[in-house]
Amino acid sequence: GAVVSQHPSRVICKSGTSVKIECRSLDFQATTMFWYRQFPKQSLMLMATSNEGSKATYEQGVEKDKFLINHASLTLSTLTVTSAHPEDSSFYICSALLAGVGTQYFGPGTRLLVL
Amino acid sequence: QKEVEQDPGPLSVPEGAIVSLNCTYSNSAFQYFMWYRQYSRKGPELLMYTYSSGNKEDGRFTAQVDKSSKYISLFIRDSQPSDSATYLCAMSDYIQGAQKLVFGQGTRLTINP
Repeated sequence: GAVVSQHPSRVICKSGTSVKIECRSLDFQATTMFWYRQFPKQSLMLMATSNEGSKATYEQGVEKDKFLINHASLTLSTLTVTSAHPEDSSFYICSALLAGVGTQYFGPGTRLLVL
Repeated sequence: QKEVEQDPGPLSVPEGAIVSLNCTYSNSAFQYFMWYRQYSRKGPELLMYTYSSGNKEDGRFTAQVDKSSKYISLFIRDSQPSDSATYLCAMSDYIQGAQKLVFGQGTRLTINP
């Protein structure tokens, strides 16, 4: 149980384009999902907390207009990187909070490369 | 000072050895402690979850929490090459609403056959 999927697993795009990443909780409902970014050989950096039916809460230094988050249902959150640039290239990972237990289950990650 | 400190390693041990991974933290409000395993280019996988102080065992893995010392450990017995990964400790102070995990830097572990 507690499986989280992400799509796509990897994406290559041109600079200036927008990229949407989906995060789904497959076998449980998640009112709260999280989006992280991870650079090589570094730990996870929380970007934002996504709450179903309300606006996301962004961490300090994360541009909300750059990284659009939509949590339209209890099993789906999306992250859209708008007008992507090479410095946005990274490994993006989502997680879903299993309510009542307090643990986060992570997706497999999406590797974004912006040329 | 970071909220959670974890030796990044790398740590290399022979197959069959007992591995000890540790984290220290400064926030006494943390009550939920987790260990995640992350293989290269994959998302973290939850290994152990512990609430408050004490020990928890699951197969070859044992998690220990000492809140008085603000110190947590993960022990791996009979280590296998498949245990080679980065191990991340994580902790939080509540489970409702905007619960956030604070991660350690991760320890890269290699088990040599």
